[in-house]
Amino acid sequence: DTEVTQTPKHLVMGMTNKKSLKCEQHMGHRAMYWYKQKAKKPPELMFVYSYEKLSINESVPSRFSPECPNSSLLNLHLHALQPEDSALYLCASSHETGEWAQHFGDGTRLSIL
Amino acid sequence: GENVEQHPSTLSVQEGDSAVIKCTYSDSASNYFPWYKQELGKRPQLIIDIRSNVGEKKDQRIAVTLNKTAKHFSLHITETQPEDSAVYFCAASQIGSNYKLTFGKGTLLTVNP
Repeated sequence: DTEVTQTPKHLVMGMTNKKSLKCEQHMGHRAMYWYKQKAKKPPELMFVYSYEKLSINESVPSRFSPECPNSSLLNLHLHALQPEDSALYLCASSHETGEWAQHFGDGTRLSIL
Repeated sequence: GENVEQHPSTLSVQEGDSAVIKCTYSDSASNYFPWYKQELGKRPQLIIDIRSNVGEKKDQRIAVTLNKTAKHFSLHITETQPEDSAVYFCAASQIGSNYKLTFGKGTLLTVNP
């Protein structure tokens, strides 16, 4: 069973569209993460939220905008994406940042036309 | 920053054999080492992790060993089964990088019936 839920599972959007990816966990975790994964590559960290505050931004382009409305929810707002942004976007959560296991959701497979 | 090397990139074994995947890390400050299994089209799933104050950890057919002096850690799978076929990623995290996980490039394990 996946305890981190991501919606939608698939998303196709044009380069001028605005869309959002959503992630939800009910494990009481206080750290949440966004990763990008290209085919046959490891996950690549984008953002980390700790206690609902952004703690890491891995120099991600501003066309990706994260938001953490509360301790259970994490959003990733997308605008004016490029074809090279097509990838699997994974959300993860952990008890806190640090030596705590990160648990991943099933991801959103994003295709940019 | 941290650098994690993972070998081999592909590994093919016969059902019932053992499989070993090795990772080395560069920063001696790293203190948490998880292993993830990712089946095709699915999320990375944590299978085992180890912290720097422990040299070995075992969970049924899976074990991880850590050599802090040599800065390497290994995943051992015994009595392999076809359902063990997947990509395996090692990772390391360290206090200095705000506990960011750095992943190895992955090992594609194929277990032949």
